[in-house]
Amino acid sequence: AQKITQTQPGMFVQEKEAVTLDCTYDTSDPSYGLFWYKQPSSGEMIFLIYQGSYDQQNATEGRYSLNFQKARKSANLVISASQLGDSAMYFCAMRGSDYKLSFGAGTTVTVRA
Amino acid sequence: ETGVTQTPRHLVMGMTNKKSLKCEQHLGHNAMYWYKQSAKKPLELMFVYNFKEQTENNSVPSRFSPECPNSSHLFLHLHTLQPEDSALYLCASSQSGSTVYNEQFFGPGTRLTVL
Repeated sequence: AQKITQTQPGMFVQEKEAVTLDCTYDTSDPSYGLFWYKQPSSGEMIFLIYQGSYDQQNATEGRYSLNFQKARKSANLVISASQLGDSAMYFCAMRGSDYKLSFGAGTTVTVRA
Repeated sequence: ETGVTQTPRHLVMGMTNKKSLKCEQHLGHNAMYWYKQSAKKPLELMFVYNFKEQTENNSVPSRFSPECPNSSHLFLHLHTLQPEDSALYLCASSQSGSTVYNEQFFGPGTRLTVL
């Protein structure tokens, strides 16, 4: 079974600064996918970025980038130039050989003006 | 058109009521999912349907009954629920349910309160 660990329950970041959200995972699967989702207070889970276990380069999507360190089994999300609208809960997730998407406990990000 | 829609957005029901949650995806996906999100707990996968066939039941109590009439629609029928079933119920879809690579797209959720 996969296990996803997000050790930061909450973080504050100043507007226009960057923030890094930590995520570590535990799996013995050779092939897996890593995902980050954003959940605003409205409840909808919004897909942000994906990293495949065999991808050589770190994934980037606009202001989001994933710092993938396979040997350390970490997949940290970096949000650059934070905006007030980035305030939300952020979930790291992984999908392995059982094809189930396993989620971490989440990190609440609050962006301050 | 929003990719994944869910109705109703909010539902309050008594323990003896019967209600249904509806999910519809407009993305042409073949897999659909139900998740439960309780306060202070990670998302829990409940059911998976791949090409209309149920491929996963994650030890969900029988008072939750899913139905997938086609690849675009997914229902969750509720009966004789308990107050601890109060949660946000999220529906999701993906291109395929049998690959590690496809991201899942979620609906806005149904906030369920059981009195």
